[in-house]
Amino acid sequence: NAGVMQNPRHLVRRRGQEARLRCSPMKGHSHVYWYRQLPEEGLKFMVYLQKENIIDESGMPKERFSAEFPKEGPSILRIQQVVRGDSAAYFCASSPPNEGNEQFFGPGTRLTVL
Amino acid sequence: SQQGEEDPQALSIQEGENATMNCSYKTSINNLQWYRQNSGRGLVHLILIRSNEREKHSGRLRVTLDTSKKSSSLLITASRAADTASYFCATDNTGGFKTIFGAGTRLFVKA
Repeated sequence: NAGVMQNPRHLVRRRGQEARLRCSPMKGHSHVYWYRQLPEEGLKFMVYLQKENIIDESGMPKERFSAEFPKEGPSILRIQQVVRGDSAAYFCASSPPNEGNEQFFGPGTRLTVL
Repeated sequence: SQQGEEDPQALSIQEGENATMNCSYKTSINNLQWYRQNSGRGLVHLILIRSNEREKHSGRLRVTLDTSKKSSSLLITASRAADTASYFCATDNTGGFKTIFGAGTRLFVKA
């Protein structure tokens, strides 16, 4: 059973471009979480999704950021018109359907905005 | 401030010594988790302790939870150089969906 997969591992964008980060959860996991980690800081929750539903997006900036988890395919975190402050590591985690289960983390995508 | 806050922020010990890290949180929780993160890598789940548990062991790890003080501790016994990493506590709050992480404790184990 492959772990949580994220790609790309490293992404470089210029200011104003779009960044698309992908996350494939572990097999059998229907819950996906996205976190952002700024340098030298802990992880901050962004959004929690189940298949085709956003359950909690309270940690996600209202503008420029969006997330989806379609019926088929990976979860996508999309950042439009990136700015330098978006430079961070973005981690995805997945968990099985029951609430309270541990989350399994992917290796992260390091976004650098030039 | 964050729900989970680790203490100390950084810890440097000799191989073979024990390392203790603490975590405090603010609201009621369903469970508390500890994670390890090696430099530049993703997080690895270490141990989960539920709100009705007081202590849990896993190998060289011992976690305690005191819900009256809203605090938890992670003890790593007989530390090894390979334990060098950042350690995060995270809480699943009652009535919420998200897991909230602290800023982490950076542990450095000298060989």
